[in-house]
Amino acid sequence: SQQGEEDPQALSIQEGENATMNCSYKTSINNLQWYRQNSGRGLVHLILIRSNEREKHSGRLRVTLDTSKKSSSLLITASRAADTASYFCATELQTGANNLFFGTGTRLTVIP
Amino acid sequence: KAGVTQTPRYLIKTRGQQVTLSCSPISGHRSVSWYQQTPGQGLQFLFEYFSETQRNKGNFPGRFSGRQFSNSRSEMNVSTLELGDSALYLCASSANRGGYGYTFGSGTRLTVV
Repeated sequence: SQQGEEDPQALSIQEGENATMNCSYKTSINNLQWYRQNSGRGLVHLILIRSNEREKHSGRLRVTLDTSKKSSSLLITASRAADTASYFCATELQTGANNLFFGTGTRLTVIP
Repeated sequence: KAGVTQTPRYLIKTRGQQVTLSCSPISGHRSVSWYQQTPGQGLQFLFEYFSETQRNKGNFPGRFSGRQFSNSRSEMNVSTLELGDSALYLCASSANRGGYGYTFGSGTRLTVV
């Protein structure tokens, strides 16, 4: 079974609004990563947060990690139509495993 | 810098046949991992190769196999295809053994009829 569950499954917002996606996982992790996928194509790595970090920023992206609750959130600020995609969280359980456990994904639609 | 290249992009096969998919990682990357994506099961890890050795394997039947060559290119083989093998197969490359993000290819869309 998959390691993570994402919430919501689908999200529709207006351009310029913020989008927040949540991810919960089941076991201890080494790091958590977020990926974007456009229309069933390849995954694009967005950001990685390690288990000893609580928050990380990259451009319009902000990721938080709460290891006590086994959860993470991805915030996209000032969304654009080009942000329309599916977003997945993925956990890496231990260093050296090179094996990601993916969440179920959130389908984000940004309306121009 | 070229990205991860997967060939072919699309493939249609008949039940019972076998198929081989190819993945060329980013130059200098020694780790290649494979994932299967289906609407029902989502993204699932198949296996990972590092320096020609399989280091990790997911929970898939023995019909799924792979290998990695000395130039780090990897192939994935599925024998005796079943309808349920229809999926998007993605490979990812990494320079290191875990702890960093991965670069994914565009995938091979396999349809089994």
